[in-house]
Amino acid sequence: DQQVKQNSPSLSVQEGRISILNCDYTNSMFDYFLWYKKYPAEGPTFLISISSIKDKNEDGRFTVFLNKSAKHLSLHIVPSQPGDSAVYFCAASGAGGGADGLTFGKGTHLIIQP
Amino acid sequence: EAGVTQFPSHSVIEKGQTVTLRCDPISGHDNLYWYRRVMGKEIKFLLHFVKESKQDESGMPNNRFLAERTGGTYSTLKVQPAELEDSGVYFCASSLLATNTDTQYFGPGTRLTVL
Repeated sequence: DQQVKQNSPSLSVQEGRISILNCDYTNSMFDYFLWYKKYPAEGPTFLISISSIKDKNEDGRFTVFLNKSAKHLSLHIVPSQPGDSAVYFCAASGAGGGADGLTFGKGTHLIIQP
Repeated sequence: EAGVTQFPSHSVIEKGQTVTLRCDPISGHDNLYWYRRVMGKEIKFLLHFVKESKQDESGMPNNRFLAERTGGTYSTLKVQPAELEDSGVYFCASSLLATNTDTQYFGPGTRLTVL
């Protein structure tokens, strides 16, 4: 039973446009959400995070939005660049208290078209 | 500063054999995690060490998997005997603090193939 869902396995966006990656969760105990980016043959690298007490967090070209009532978060990348092509994982923590193992979604493969 | 390292990068073994994966966390990180990604599925949490103690091993699939972290530095994950469904990429991560908001830094993973 997946607690974090990324329903789009892939997304293709033109360079310079906005990329929007979506994520839904079911466990209302999660209080911290993260996005990781993964290139082939590498481990996931941390991108951006948001606490459940906020609804938006911005870091350069990356913005994460959280809608707690809908149990939905999204990652906006603007403008999209070729180096953004990667698999993006949504993750959540906090359900167990303390330093948890992260609960991941299946990932969305973002392809930036030139 | 060196990141999380894992060895080997790839391992191909036959069903019934034993394999040991190693993870070296970032120096000074007391928290060490093991995860696994089976092809096409999500990255799944296996267990969490705080120094040499197992804090949470709720994600370990069964007793064929044994994780150790003697001395609180590097960790090993042994699979004995390996089964076909154990194939996947095994990631290790480490973090400095014991809070869920502290960033977990991942290693490059070990790709395990069981034939």
